[in-house]
Amino acid sequence: AQTVTQSQPEMSVQEAETVTLSCTYDTSENNYYLFWYKQPPSRQMILVIRQEAYKQQNATENRFSVNFQKAAKSFSLKISDSQLGDTAMYFCAFMIINNDMRFGAGTRLTVKP
Amino acid sequence: DAMVIQNPRYQVTQFGKPVTLSCSQTLNHNVMYWYQQKSSQAPKLLFHYYDKDFNNEADTPDNFQSRRPNTSFCFLDIRSPGLGDAAMYLCATSSAGGSYNEQFFGPGTRLTVL
Repeated sequence: AQTVTQSQPEMSVQEAETVTLSCTYDTSENNYYLFWYKQPPSRQMILVIRQEAYKQQNATENRFSVNFQKAAKSFSLKISDSQLGDTAMYFCAFMIINNDMRFGAGTRLTVKP
Repeated sequence: DAMVIQNPRYQVTQFGKPVTLSCSQTLNHNVMYWYQQKSSQAPKLLFHYYDKDFNNEADTPDNFQSRRPNTSFCFLDIRSPGLGDAAMYLCATSSAGGSYNEQFFGPGTRLTVL
């Protein structure tokens, strides 16, 4: 069974600074996808960034980037130049191709002014 | 804009009184999912439809049922809600066979059981 672990239930960061959210997963599969989803308070979940396991290059989306370490089964999210609008729950998720998505327990990030 | 819509956003029901939550999508995705999310927890998959094929998670209680009358709509029926069923219910869609299998989420329906 695939499991996803987010070891930081809560984190905070000052506006304009950088923060890294950690995620580890466990699988015996070789081909899979990893995602970071953002769920702002009382708003819907949206995709922040995705990574295909067969790609060695780390995905980036503007201020968001990942550090994907396949051998270590680690998939951390770095948010640069944090903004107040980044305050949200962040969920790391794992999926085997065309299979169910498994979420971690989430990290509540607060960006402080 | 293509999207996933959930109605109502907030639903209050009484203990034991059946309730139906609805989800519609304009993305023309062939897979639709229902998740239960309790406060400060990860979404938990209840079941999903791959086209018309229903796939139930092993630990989803029998109290939860689903219907998908067509590609665009999917319903979650809770036959006899208990206090423990109070949660946010999220609908999501994806296009099986697509490049990334990304799931697109609706805004959720927050269910309160009195």
